[in-house]
Amino acid sequence: AQSVAQPEDQVNVAEGNPLTVKCTYSVSGNPYLFWYVQYPNRGLQFLLKYITGDNLVKGSYGFEAEFNKSQTSFHLKKPSALVSDSALYFCAVRPSSGGYQKVTFGTGTKLQVIP
Amino acid sequence: DTEVTQTPKHLVMGMTNKKSLKCEQHMGHRAMYWYKQKAKKPPELMFVYSYEKLSINESVPSRFSPECPNSSLLNLHLHALQPEDSALYLCASSQGGSYGRYGYTFGSGTRLTVV
Repeated sequence: AQSVAQPEDQVNVAEGNPLTVKCTYSVSGNPYLFWYVQYPNRGLQFLLKYITGDNLVKGSYGFEAEFNKSQTSFHLKKPSALVSDSALYFCAVRPSSGGYQKVTFGTGTKLQVIP
Repeated sequence: DTEVTQTPKHLVMGMTNKKSLKCEQHMGHRAMYWYKQKAKKPPELMFVYSYEKLSINESVPSRFSPECPNSSLLNLHLHALQPEDSALYLCASSQGGSYGRYGYTFGSGTRLTVV
């Protein structure tokens, strides 16, 4: 069975500092990996995905993520955090093969950017 | 149009009521999903429609009844709900059917309260 772990319930970072939100996964075969952000009382917004190719993926709002197959990780990063980045972040994974495959979401990490 | 529109945004219903949630997208996406999300938890998959056919039912109680009248619309009919069904109900869509490698576009959700 596939799984996603987001080991930190909350990450605090000062505005202007780099941020990292951690994600590790377990899946049979090669993964498709996704990051979503959710603001209060809103739906999830797609940030970026890893399908194949370059291990460094760039997404919306200046976010990027690095796929590391040996460490089965897909950490979300941003060079300089903004207060407006404060939100709930979800990592998600699905297998890349085998017809329909359910997307599994992590438990979420609350990012708090401190002015 | 790059949005998934959900109506109503808020709904309060009694346990004997019948109500419906509506979801609409005009992006040509051929897979549509219903998710349930409790506060500060990841979304839980309920139903998947691929090319207007129900392809996945995640063992959801029969008091929830999905319907996909056409490729742009998805409904969730509610009847005899319980207070524990109170949650944010999210609709999502994705390109190319549910087998694709694409991220999901989520609506803003319907906040449902069962009294």
